[in-house]
Amino acid sequence: GDSVTQMEGPVTLSEEAFLTINCTYTATGYPSLFWYVQYPGEGLQLLLKATKADDKGSNKGFEATYRKETTSFHLEKGSVQVSDSAVYFCALGGTTSGTYKYIFGTGTRLKVLA
Amino acid sequence: DAGVTQSPTHLIKTRGQQVTLRCSPKSGHDTVSWYQQALGQGPQFIFQYYEEEERQRGNFPDRFSGHQFPNYSSELNVNALLLGDSALYLCASSRGGRTGINSGANVLTFGAGSRLTVL
Repeated sequence: GDSVTQMEGPVTLSEEAFLTINCTYTATGYPSLFWYVQYPGEGLQLLLKATKADDKGSNKGFEATYRKETTSFHLEKGSVQVSDSAVYFCALGGTTSGTYKYIFGTGTRLKVLA
Repeated sequence: DAGVTQSPTHLIKTRGQQVTLRCSPKSGHDTVSWYQQALGQGPQFIFQYYEEEERQRGNFPDRFSGHQFPNYSSELNVNALLLGDSALYLCASSRGGRTGINSGANVLTFGAGSRLTVL
């Protein structure tokens, strides 16, 4: 079945370091891909999305490119801030016809130190 | 513009009891999905409601049931609570549309969740 695999955390970085969080997926059809972020005590917020191969999603300095050939959607940011500390979830949606659910990875906790 | 609102934010129940969680979708959204997020895990799909009907269901027992009202708000009911039902329950709304595969690409807007503790 469809699935999402994320790198395990926690990831601890110093402020202004480069961030990469790996995400790979298995899906039938052509899913849309998403990154959501969850701050402590809150629900999930959409960070960025890509709906087809080679699309690049970007927001708040974060980027991810939909790579069909490697079935990946890695999240990157050039210079992290303390305020980026949160849990990041990779997700896919809209795979086989007639399915409405999103499938989430297990999340990667990021801690940024000042 | 209010986003997705959920109530209650926290609740504690004992095994065997029943619980009802409520969700009001974002303005302009007509579809509500419910997800269960266990501690340290990603959200797991419970079911989705559109046009007051359950459109799709995840791998959850019949103890989990739901309802959608004409104003698009929704309830999640869990009967005969088990310790393993302790989790954060997330409601997400979206614009449903009438097509299958395209609906999956619609962005979900999540509420802050209802944290259920079963003792």
